[in-house]
Amino acid sequence: AQTVTQSQPEMSVQEAETVTLSCTYDTSESDYYLFWYKQPPSRQMILVIRQEAYKQQNATENRFSVNFQKAAKSFSLKISDSQLGDAAMYFCAYLGGANSKLTFGKGITLSVRP
Amino acid sequence: GAGVSQSPSNKVTEKGKDVELRCDPISGHTALYWYRQRLGQGLEFLIYFQGNSAPDKSGLPSDRFSAERTGESVSTLTIQRTQQEDSAVYLCASSLDHGDYGYTFGSGTRLTVV
Repeated sequence: AQTVTQSQPEMSVQEAETVTLSCTYDTSESDYYLFWYKQPPSRQMILVIRQEAYKQQNATENRFSVNFQKAAKSFSLKISDSQLGDAAMYFCAYLGGANSKLTFGKGITLSVRP
Repeated sequence: GAGVSQSPSNKVTEKGKDVELRCDPISGHTALYWYRQRLGQGLEFLIYFQGNSAPDKSGLPSDRFSAERTGESVSTLTIQRTQQEDSAVYLCASSLDHGDYGYTFGSGTRLTVV
């Protein structure tokens, strides 16, 4: 079974600085998708960024980018120019083949210091 | 609709009572998922629908939990004889096909069993 590990329960970053959130996963599949979701106190899960495993190029969405290391099964999220609105729980998630479902890590709470 | 809608937003029930949680997916999304999130924890998969069939019910924690879906529309998650350990946020999500582009989540139902 696929597992997703987020070993850091909490992180803090100064406003305008850069922070990296770590994620590792375990799978025997070669084709899959990886995601980062943000969950603010409103509970709404918001898709931040998506990576296709067969693409070597790291995905980027504005201030958010990933470092995808397929051989190491690592998928970290970098947030540049951190803003107060970035404070939330962040979840790493894995999606494998047909009829599979998103498997989530335990999440990390990110706080942003003004 | 424009987003995934869940009702009620909050539900307080007495131990032993039955509850029904409702999810309206995005129109045209064939797949629908239910997850449970205990306080401060990650998302725990419950059940997945493709159309009105459920290829994966592996996450339902006991036979007190059941779910159904009408066509590619509304889904209801029913918990019978609620227990205090059922207290959690129940999140619903929908996606096109198998969710390769990610899931869209609702804001969840917070269930409190007293």
